[in-house]
Amino acid sequence: LAKTTQPISMDSYEGQEVNITCSHNNIATNDYITWYQQFPSQGPRFIIQGYKTKVTNEVASLFIPADRKSSTLSLPRVSLSDTAVYYCLPVPDYGGATNKLIFGTGTLLAVQP
Amino acid sequence: GAVVSQHPSWVICKSGTSVKIECRSLDFQATTMFWYRQFPKQSLMLMATSNEGSKATYEQGVEKDKFLINHASLTLSTLTVTSAHPEDSSFYICSASSPGNSNQPQHFGDGTRLSIL
Repeated sequence: LAKTTQPISMDSYEGQEVNITCSHNNIATNDYITWYQQFPSQGPRFIIQGYKTKVTNEVASLFIPADRKSSTLSLPRVSLSDTAVYYCLPVPDYGGATNKLIFGTGTLLAVQP
Repeated sequence: GAVVSQHPSWVICKSGTSVKIECRSLDFQATTMFWYRQFPKQSLMLMATSNEGSKATYEQGVEKDKFLINHASLTLSTLTVTSAHPEDSSFYICSASSPGNSNQPQHFGDGTRLSIL
């Protein structure tokens, strides 16, 4: 399984755009890149997933360059409630429900007023 | 969307007690579920893969006799921490995903906070 590297923590202010980059140099050809958000004392929550280029949903965008060795989660106009730990994980596109997830350290995003 | 439920959300018990945690998939059948443990200010650590109708697969370093896993139905997996001690105090989280579509993300329960006195 590909190892990931993320900043341990980031600080931001309300209303700013936040970009969290994850490095995954040895990502496999059939790996998707998946991002989860975790609040204290809760289980992780799926945010977004992509394979290459750009993916956007109602909460975030995910940018993946052509070499796929990194990815950037973009959160537009963060609020205090976006304070959480964010994890990126490469997940194989085979196996489906049997794919086990190996979590890295994650990035603690602290949003201040 | 798919939802995974855990029960109880927190439990406090005396050392030596066995504690059972339930993980249910509410609107889909899950032949595979996963159990994680998370210590304060640390990441999730995968403990085991729960397989419906067969033995669980444990990660290296996780004692199978200490953490008993039963997956007797397609919607329920249980984790029993046997003879729990203070060092077993942690946040236990389960996950599952809908079968069929290989790109379905894992959905996580809200975790169980276990405190052993």
